[in-house]
Amino acid sequence: QKEVEQNSGPLSVPEGAIASLNCTYSDRGSQSFFWYRQYSGKSPELIMFIYSNGDKEDGRFTAQLNKASQYVSLLIRDSQPSDSATYLCAVGAGTASKLTFGTGTRLQVTL
Amino acid sequence: DTGVSQNPRHKITKRGQNVTFRCDPISEHNRLYWYRQTLGQGPEFLTYFQNEAQLEKSRLLSDRFSAERPKGSFSTLEIQRTEQGDSAMYLCASSQTPRGRTYGYTFGSGTRLTVV
Repeated sequence: QKEVEQNSGPLSVPEGAIASLNCTYSDRGSQSFFWYRQYSGKSPELIMFIYSNGDKEDGRFTAQLNKASQYVSLLIRDSQPSDSATYLCAVGAGTASKLTFGTGTRLQVTL
Repeated sequence: DTGVSQNPRHKITKRGQNVTFRCDPISEHNRLYWYRQTLGQGPEFLTYFQNEAQLEKSRLLSDRFSAERPKGSFSTLEIQRTEQGDSAMYLCASSQTPRGRTYGYTFGSGTRLTVV
């Protein structure tokens, strides 16, 4: 079983819609959770992090964490073509430990 | 400070040769990480430093790989006797850990290694 699992996609959503990206993790003791965006040929860039159960909003992005279900998600509201990228979920065993990345979900926002 | 800097951006080498990559982290960041990424995969952890101390090294990393961070500033990653399977993007990242928490890494642009 992979430590951090994501559906590889592609996930296709129309412009203006909500994109929902999901991630599950195997280590029940994980404490820190991150979402990165990676454009083709570029390095990952941090979108959001979340430490506590519940929702965390930042602009068009909302991260949701459910530690009991070992599940973290990212919602992108009002999706734009510029959001088309691969979204990487990353999990830390502690609050200051190395991150383990999933394989990423490719998002395509269509006009 | 303009972020994490990696050099070179691209490296093509013949199988069996040694290569060395350099990473200059964000100056106030105390942690420095090396990851490797192949096409269609997420970044895979290689090793990380807190200041000059190498705190962890992946079990997947063979003895051909070595990393240093002298004086807790820049870091180098050396691969000896390169193999075709070493072809990948090598990513360096840095972070701070205020009050024992990390708030995410800042990645450099990466070094793309091609072994022919």
